Amino acid sequence: EPEVTQTPSHQVTQMGQEVILRCVPISNHLYFYWYRQILGQKVEFLVSFYNNEISEKSEIFDDQFSVERPDGSNFTLKIRSTKLEDSAMYFCASNPGTGSNQPQHFGDGTRLSIL
Amino acid sequence: DAKTTQPNSMESNEEEPVHLPCNHSTISGTDYIHWYRQLPSQGPEYVIHGLTSNVNNRMASLAIAEDRKSSTLILHRATLRDAAVYYCILRDVGQGAGGTSYGKLTFGQGTILTVHP
Repeated sequence: EPEVTQTPSHQVTQMGQEVILRCVPISNHLYFYWYRQILGQKVEFLVSFYNNEISEKSEIFDDQFSVERPDGSNFTLKIRSTKLEDSAMYFCASNPGTGSNQPQHFGDGTRLSIL
Repeated sequence: DAKTTQPNSMESNEEEPVHLPCNHSTISGTDYIHWYRQLPSQGPEYVIHGLTSNVNNRMASLAIAEDRKSSTLILHRATLRDAAVYYCILRDVGQGAGGTSYGKLTFGQGTILTVHP
């Protein structure tokens, strides 16, 4: 069964540095998402992406964050000037298409640790 | 976003059925009811979804109340691998050009299911 893959599984970065989290969504999917989960807290939506542009973003997704689909397969989340509070699990997800009846497929996440 | 209410935790014994309840009294007519679960150290995993009728798949069954204000996820024979956090989510239909739905998921705290050997 096709999977969403994320790399790296764990990223350790100094505060203030930039970090790029990478995801390969399922190949025929059209809608892409990033979520984050701070340790012990619930999963929070960050951003959705369709047709090469952001379709929706949360209040968390401020100017520090950006997303990109640089080629036909990768979907990246860039965090500029990281802060201690950015430490979390970051999950990428994808949908096959439109409609609220579409299952969403998640990767196993990247654990981001900011020192 | 329409809100769901789930118990914080439930326990079960291995090979016994588990009924995980969810209340969603403010559900709208076009909201689908989705269930996801998150095993330890993994991303959320789709389990099942439905609109009005009960649904079955290889993982579970979903029983939806006639008024759609509640639903129950049924694991017919719990295994140790079913120990996870289970989330009941009403699928949010985003507003976009041409009425396209972008479908972000809004997670609550979920129900922590413990399965005893």
